[in-house]
Amino acid sequence: ESVLTQSPGTLSLSPGERATLSCRASQSISSSYLAWYQQKPDQAPRLLIYDASRRATGIPDRFSGSGSGTDFTLTISRLEPEDFAVYYCQRFVPSPPGWTFGQGTKVEIK
Amino acid sequence: EVQLLESGGGLVQPGGSLRLSCAASGFIFSNYGMTWVRQAPGKGLEWVSGISAGEESTDYADSVKGRVTISRDTSKNILFLQMNSLRAEDTAVYFCAKVADTVSAFDIWGQGTMVTVSS
Repeated sequence: ESVLTQSPGTLSLSPGERATLSCRASQSISSSYLAWYQQKPDQAPRLLIYDASRRATGIPDRFSGSGSGTDFTLTISRLEPEDFAVYYCQRFVPSPPGWTFGQGTKVEIK
Repeated sequence: EVQLLESGGGLVQPGGSLRLSCAASGFIFSNYGMTWVRQAPGKGLEWVSGISAGEESTDYADSVKGRVTISRDTSKNILFLQMNSLRAEDTAVYFCAKVADTVSAFDIWGQGTMVTVSS
């Protein structure tokens, strides 16, 4: 079973700083199958990045995704107050079809 | 406006059943796969089940396989999740989500409906 491990568990930063979030897969995956989501308290998740590096509609360009194989990264270039939230990576498994999520990284105000 | 609206959650006793619904609007429902994702209180996201656009394929997480059935009514633009033999560990907010064109991600999410399994 493929597992996604996110690190760190919590990231304490100040507005304006750069955030770097990691997502590591236990097995190599296609970049086309890796996505990132943002979730704020009592809200549904929001798709940020798909295909490892493509921004979803309406997502600001301070969010970027990169990586390949087993190591993927979500970068927020300059944190805005509204960016403090929990971030999840997700992978798609094509056969049999299914999706798995990482355990999440909380980005909190320092 | 593209929208998903879940309903049907509530309090149910262990061993009981519940059917969740998700009303879709603002997009061509029949063209897209749909999924259910859940989140236990204070925990992360867990994919539960998915159904293809044409209903030819349904898939389930191992944690719910045999107890849950996903279906859709394309004429009414509604997604369903029939849950049987419910356990305490099924307690969660259940989100429905639209599968994106890329297939590998979910681009539209509902606000969720809470399911509590307790005696």
